[in-house]
Amino acid sequence: DTAVSQTPKYLVTQMGNDKSIKCEQNLGHDTMYWYKQDSKKFLKIMFSYNNKELIINETVPNRFSPKSPDKAHLNLHINSLELGDSAVYFCASSQIGELFFGEGSRLTVL
Amino acid sequence: AQTVTQSQPEMSVQEAETVTLSCTYDTSENNYYLFWYKQPPSRQMILVIRQEAYKQQNATENRFSVNFQKAAKSFSLKISDSQLGDTAMYFCAFVGGDSNTGKLIFGQGTTLQVKP
Repeated sequence: DTAVSQTPKYLVTQMGNDKSIKCEQNLGHDTMYWYKQDSKKFLKIMFSYNNKELIINETVPNRFSPKSPDKAHLNLHINSLELGDSAVYFCASSQIGELFFGEGSRLTVL
Repeated sequence: AQTVTQSQPEMSVQEAETVTLSCTYDTSENNYYLFWYKQPPSRQMILVIRQEAYKQQNATENRFSVNFQKAAKSFSLKISDSQLGDTAMYFCAFVGGDSNTGKLIFGQGTTLQVKP
Protein backbone atom coordinates (compact mmCIF):
# COMPACT_ATOMS: atom_id res chain seq x y z
CA ASP A 1 0.00 0.00 0.00
CA THR A 2 1.27 3.44 -0.91
CA ALA A 3 1.87 5.47 2.25
CA VAL A 4 1.32 8.90 0.68
CA SER A 5 -0.56 8.95 -2.58
CA GLN A 6 -1.41 11.92 -4.74
CA THR A 7 -3.46 12.23 -7.88
CA PRO A 8 -3.15 13.02 -10.66
CA LYS A 9 0.53 12.33 -11.29
CA TYR A 10 0.51 14.39 -14.45
CA LEU A 11 -1.68 17.34 -15.31
CA VAL A 12 -1.56 19.48 -18.44
CA THR A 13 -3.89 22.44 -18.66
CA GLN A 14 -4.41 25.87 -20.16
CA MET A 15 -3.70 29.19 -18.50
CA GLY A 16 -6.66 30.53 -16.59
CA ASN A 17 -8.10 27.12 -15.71
CA ASP A 18 -8.76 25.84 -12.20
CA LYS A 19 -7.34 22.49 -11.14
CA SER A 20 -7.01 20.34 -8.02
CA ILE A 21 -4.48 17.83 -6.79
CA LYS A 22 -5.54 15.34 -4.15
CA CYS A 23 -3.41 13.77 -1.45
CA GLU A 24 -4.05 11.00 1.01
CA GLN A 25 -1.82 9.38 3.63
CA ASN A 26 -2.44 6.11 5.45
CA LEU A 27 0.37 6.49 7.98
CA GLY A 28 -1.75 8.00 10.72
CA HIS A 29 0.41 11.14 10.75
CA ASP A 30 -0.93 14.36 12.19
CA THR A 31 0.87 16.75 9.86
CA MET A 32 0.66 17.06 6.08
CA TYR A 33 2.40 19.38 3.65
CA TRP A 34 2.50 20.68 0.12
CA TYR A 35 5.91 21.39 -1.37
CA LYS A 36 6.65 22.89 -4.76
CA GLN A 37 9.68 21.84 -6.81
CA ASP A 38 10.50 24.36 -9.50
CA SER A 39 12.33 23.90 -12.79
CA LYS A 40 15.68 24.30 -10.99
CA LYS A 41 14.68 21.41 -8.70
CA PHE A 42 14.48 23.67 -5.68
CA LEU A 43 12.03 22.38 -3.07
CA LYS A 44 10.05 24.88 -1.07
CA ILE A 45 7.26 24.41 1.40
CA MET A 46 3.91 25.93 0.52
CA PHE A 47 1.52 24.81 3.23
CA SER A 48 1.40 22.67 6.32
CA TYR A 49 -1.64 21.34 8.14
CA ASN A 50 -1.72 19.74 11.56
CA ASN A 51 -4.89 17.86 12.39
CA LYS A 52 -6.83 19.76 9.74
CA GLU A 53 -5.57 23.15 10.90
CA LEU A 54 -3.37 25.38 8.77
CA ILE A 55 -0.06 26.02 10.53
CA ILE A 56 2.22 27.15 7.70
CA ASN A 57 1.38 29.35 4.74
CA GLU A 58 4.57 30.44 3.04
CA THR A 59 3.44 33.57 1.20
CA VAL A 60 1.78 31.55 -1.50
CA PRO A 61 -0.58 33.47 -3.84
CA ASN A 62 -4.16 33.19 -2.71
CA ARG A 63 -4.97 31.45 -5.99
CA PHE A 64 -3.68 28.40 -4.13
CA SER A 65 -6.10 27.07 -1.56
CA PRO A 66 -5.39 23.94 0.46
CA LYS A 67 -8.22 22.01 2.00
CA SER A 68 -7.99 19.33 4.65
CA PRO A 69 -11.29 17.50 5.18
CA ASP A 70 -9.63 15.19 7.71
CA LYS A 71 -6.13 14.57 8.93
CA ALA A 72 -5.51 11.88 6.30
CA HIS A 73 -6.26 14.17 3.36
CA LEU A 74 -4.80 17.42 2.13
CA ASN A 75 -5.93 18.66 -1.26
CA LEU A 76 -4.56 21.57 -3.24
CA HIS A 77 -6.80 23.68 -5.42
CA ILE A 78 -5.33 26.23 -7.81
CA ASN A 79 -7.43 28.94 -9.44
CA SER A 80 -6.61 30.92 -12.58
CA LEU A 81 -3.51 28.93 -13.42
CA GLU A 82 -0.48 30.85 -14.68
CA LEU A 83 2.54 29.71 -16.67
CA GLY A 84 4.73 30.10 -13.58
CA ASP A 85 2.66 27.53 -11.73
CA SER A 86 4.22 24.81 -13.86
CA ALA A 87 6.17 22.65 -11.42
CA VAL A 88 6.11 19.36 -9.58
CA TYR A 89 3.96 19.49 -6.46
CA PHE A 90 4.75 17.07 -3.66
CA CYS A 91 2.47 16.11 -0.86
CA ALA A 92 4.09 14.81 2.31
CA SER A 93 3.22 13.77 5.83
CA SER A 94 5.26 13.57 9.01
CA GLN A 95 5.08 12.61 12.63
CA ILE A 96 8.40 13.57 14.20
CA GLY A 97 10.42 15.55 11.69
CA GLU A 98 10.85 12.88 9.03
CA LEU A 99 8.84 13.52 5.91
CA PHE A 100 7.25 10.84 3.80
CA PHE A 101 6.61 12.08 0.28
CA GLY A 102 4.08 11.23 -2.35
CA GLU A 103 5.29 10.58 -5.88
CA GLY A 104 4.71 14.14 -6.99
CA SER A 105 2.28 15.67 -9.44
CA ARG A 106 3.78 17.35 -12.48
CA LEU A 107 1.65 20.32 -13.48
CA THR A 108 2.23 21.85 -16.90
CA VAL A 109 0.43 25.07 -17.74
CA LEU A 110 0.31 25.95 -21.45
CA ALA B 1 16.63 32.29 9.64
CA GLN B 2 17.53 28.69 9.14
CA THR B 3 19.30 27.86 5.90
CA VAL B 4 20.77 24.79 4.26
CA THR B 5 23.55 25.07 1.68
CA GLN B 6 24.84 22.48 -0.73
CA SER B 7 27.78 23.99 -2.55
CA GLN B 8 28.25 21.23 -5.13
CA PRO B 9 25.62 21.46 -7.89
CA GLU B 10 27.01 18.41 -9.71
CA MET B 11 29.34 15.56 -8.90
CA SER B 12 30.40 12.36 -10.58
CA VAL B 13 32.02 9.16 -9.34
CA GLN B 14 33.14 5.91 -10.88
CA GLU B 15 31.18 2.82 -10.01
CA ALA B 16 32.50 1.07 -6.87
CA GLU B 17 34.30 4.20 -5.66
CA THR B 18 33.46 6.48 -2.75
CA VAL B 19 32.01 9.97 -2.99
CA THR B 20 31.19 12.61 -0.39
CA LEU B 21 28.46 15.22 -0.78
CA SER B 22 28.73 18.37 1.31
CA CYS B 23 26.07 20.19 3.28
CA THR B 24 26.22 23.04 5.73
CA TYR B 25 23.38 24.61 7.65
CA ASP B 26 22.71 27.54 9.89
CA THR B 27 20.50 27.51 12.95
CA SER B 28 20.39 28.85 16.48
CA GLU B 29 18.52 25.80 17.73
CA ASN B 30 20.24 23.10 19.74
CA ASN B 31 17.76 20.35 19.05
CA TYR B 32 17.08 19.45 15.42
CA TYR B 33 17.12 16.74 12.80
CA LEU B 34 19.08 16.45 9.58
CA PHE B 35 18.28 14.32 6.58
CA TRP B 36 19.58 13.31 3.19
CA TYR B 37 16.93 12.62 0.58
CA LYS B 38 17.54 11.06 -2.82
CA GLN B 39 15.52 11.95 -5.90
CA PRO B 40 16.19 9.61 -8.85
CA PRO B 41 14.87 10.36 -12.34
CA SER B 42 11.57 8.77 -11.28
CA ARG B 43 11.23 11.96 -9.13
CA GLN B 44 10.21 10.03 -6.02
CA MET B 45 11.75 11.56 -2.87
CA ILE B 46 13.43 8.79 -0.91
CA LEU B 47 14.89 9.16 2.57
CA VAL B 48 18.50 8.01 2.59
CA ILE B 49 19.61 8.73 6.13
CA ARG B 50 18.62 10.69 9.22
CA GLN B 51 20.64 12.22 12.06
CA GLU B 52 19.37 13.57 15.38
CA ALA B 53 21.46 16.51 16.55
CA TYR B 54 21.62 15.24 20.13
CA LYS B 55 23.35 12.05 18.99
CA GLN B 56 27.12 12.29 18.72
CA GLN B 57 27.42 9.07 16.78
CA ASN B 58 27.28 9.45 13.02
CA ALA B 59 24.34 7.70 11.39
CA THR B 60 24.99 4.87 8.93
CA GLU B 61 22.72 2.96 6.60
CA ASN B 62 24.53 0.23 4.70
CA ARG B 63 26.72 2.01 2.11
CA PHE B 64 25.57 5.46 3.26
CA SER B 65 27.07 7.28 6.21
CA VAL B 66 27.25 10.84 7.42
CA ASN B 67 29.93 13.00 8.97
CA PHE B 68 28.01 15.19 11.39
CA GLN B 69 30.03 18.07 12.80
CA LYS B 70 27.64 19.96 15.06
CA ALA B 71 30.01 22.78 16.00
CA ALA B 72 30.85 23.42 12.37
CA LYS B 73 27.20 22.93 11.33
CA SER B 74 28.29 20.48 8.69
CA PHE B 75 26.48 17.32 7.57
CA SER B 76 28.18 15.50 4.69
CA LEU B 77 27.00 12.28 3.09
CA LYS B 78 29.45 9.56 2.15
CA ILE B 79 28.44 6.91 -0.37
CA SER B 80 30.73 3.91 -0.43
CA ASP B 81 30.97 1.35 -3.23
CA SER B 82 28.89 3.60 -5.50
CA GLN B 83 26.36 1.84 -7.70
CA LEU B 84 24.72 2.93 -10.94
CA GLY B 85 21.41 3.08 -9.08
CA ASP B 86 22.82 5.80 -6.85
CA THR B 87 22.61 8.22 -9.77
CA ALA B 88 20.15 10.84 -8.55
CA MET B 89 19.77 14.29 -7.11
CA TYR B 90 20.57 14.41 -3.40
CA PHE B 91 19.01 16.93 -1.04
CA CYS B 92 20.20 17.80 2.41
CA ALA B 93 17.39 18.92 4.73
CA PHE B 94 16.93 20.37 8.20
CA VAL B 95 14.02 20.52 10.60
CA GLY B 96 14.06 22.23 13.97
CA GLY B 97 13.24 19.96 16.87
CA ASP B 98 11.83 22.81 18.91
CA SER B 99 9.29 23.60 16.26
CA ASN B 100 6.03 21.71 16.18
CA THR B 101 5.47 22.55 12.52
CA GLY B 102 7.88 19.95 11.16
CA LYS B 103 8.81 22.32 8.36
CA LEU B 104 11.72 20.88 6.38
CA ILE B 105 14.20 23.27 4.85
CA PHE B 106 16.03 21.89 1.83
CA GLY B 107 19.37 22.66 0.28
CA GLN B 108 19.65 23.36 -3.43
CA GLY B 109 20.51 19.77 -4.25
CA THR B 110 23.54 17.97 -5.71
CA THR B 111 23.21 15.95 -8.88
CA LEU B 112 25.30 12.80 -8.61
CA GLN B 113 26.24 10.80 -11.67
CA VAL B 114 27.69 7.32 -11.13
CA LYS B 115 29.71 6.27 -14.16
CA PRO B 116 30.23 2.66 -15.21
